[in-house]
Amino acid sequence: TQLLEQSPQFLSIQEGENLTVYCNSSSVFSSLQWYRQEPGEGPVLLVTVVTGGEVKKLKRLTFQFGDARKDSSLHITAAQPGDTGLYLCAGETGGSYIPTFGRGTSLIVHP
Amino acid sequence: GAGVSQSPSNKVTEKGKDVELRCDPISGHTALYWYRQRLGQGLEFLIYFQGNSAPDKSGLPSDRFSAERTGESVSTLTIQRTQQEDSAVYLCASSSQGYQPQHFGDGTRLSIL
Repeated sequence: TQLLEQSPQFLSIQEGENLTVYCNSSSVFSSLQWYRQEPGEGPVLLVTVVTGGEVKKLKRLTFQFGDARKDSSLHITAAQPGDTGLYLCAGETGGSYIPTFGRGTSLIVHP
Repeated sequence: GAGVSQSPSNKVTEKGKDVELRCDPISGHTALYWYRQRLGQGLEFLIYFQGNSAPDKSGLPSDRFSAERTGESVSTLTIQRTQQEDSAVYLCASSSQGYQPQHFGDGTRLSIL
C-alpha cells in the first residue's frame, strides 16, 4: 500500500492551461515536500510545507498543505513547456528522518 | 563540488556480477540517503546515514545490497550477484541534517543484462 497517493498519474495539456495535481494520505505528516524531476536528472526541491493550511507560491506554482496535514496540492497557472517533468511529493511522519515518496505525476505541456 | 555527484552515470553489467556505485555529497552535509527508482515508480528508500551514527538499513531489499560511508564524505552502494530486477536508477541525496530538504544527484542508471 502506497503511503502517499498522487493523482493524476499522467497529465498531458496544452501551453497556457491550468492544472492541479494532488498528494493524499491517511497519515499525518510533519512536513511535506514537492520535487520536480526531469529525464536523466535527480529530483529538485520546489517547496517544503510544514503548517496545516499553509499556502506557498513560487511564480506560477501554488502549493497548499491540508489543514489536517494529510494531503497537499500543487496548482500551476498558465502552464509552459518548461514545466514538463515528473512531480513528486514526499513527506515525513512522526519523528522519522526518512521521507516517503509518492509515485509522481508525469506532466507534459505541449507548445 | 557545488552539488551531489554520482558515478558512474550509467552502468551496464551482466547478471551475477557485482557493482559499486559512488556518491559524493555536498560538503558539510551530515545526512546521506540512497534511493532506488524503477521505471515509472517513485523513490524507494534504501539506506540513510547520519554523521557517525549507525546507518538505517531498513530499506535494503536483500543481503546482496550493502552501503558504506566514511565519516561525512563519500558513500558507496554495492550490489552483489546482480539480478535483472536490480535494473533501476539509483539516486543519492544529502542534506545538512535530518529533516532538512534533500539535494539529489543525477543518479546512476544500472542495467543488468
